[in-house]
Amino acid sequence: DGGITQSPKYLFRKEGQNVTLSCEQNLNHDAMYWYRQDPGQGLRLIYYSQIVNDFQKGDIAEGYSVSREKKESFPLTVTSAQKNPTAFYLCASTRDRDQPQHFGDGTRLSIL
Amino acid sequence: GQQLNQSPQSMFIQEGEDVSMNCTSSSIFNTWLWYKQEPGEGPVLLIALYKAGELTSNGRLTAQFGITRKDSFLNISASIPSDVGIYFCAGRGSSNTGKLIFGQGTTLQVKP
Repeated sequence: DGGITQSPKYLFRKEGQNVTLSCEQNLNHDAMYWYRQDPGQGLRLIYYSQIVNDFQKGDIAEGYSVSREKKESFPLTVTSAQKNPTAFYLCASTRDRDQPQHFGDGTRLSIL
Repeated sequence: GQQLNQSPQSMFIQEGEDVSMNCTSSSIFNTWLWYKQEPGEGPVLLIALYKAGELTSNGRLTAQFGITRKDSFLNISASIPSDVGIYFCAGRGSSNTGKLIFGQGTTLQVKP
């Protein structure tokens, strides 16, 4: 089945540690997005990529990094510089900028 | 970053009742999207709207793209327990990035 797969479902980070969240899609979508969701808030854009080997910062990029080496993959690294990483992270993709975004099932990141 | 104003924040209703929620923005949008999110999962697209004044239904759900292009509403008729979840609106402006702006969400609880 076509879709967006995020892994792991749950992730724990130690102080000073970088962690990487995986997002893979087999929908042949060009654009991919990373959002952060905190309780009672809407989704906030971290990074997005409209095409392979290109990505732009969203509204809250500080403390995060991404890469887009393959069309189907858009991993997000939460670095030690992100002092409040506990949140639900959602990955989305879309065929082109005028189409709706479709989401994966998210990764919940917590601090140990 | 910019956010939409979504209301109400939460609703607790009796099964069978109709539900109405809306989103307003200070900016004009070219697209309005409505998503539903269940606990621990990613948002799922319910309805997409692309033209001012457009009225679109999806089963018991009906959404409209406001004439001013600054608002949208979602109605759910004859609610059932499985309607429980968080409903998000999202708007897209005229930029070429495909970026979405999300409302804060409306939490719906349905009492059987």
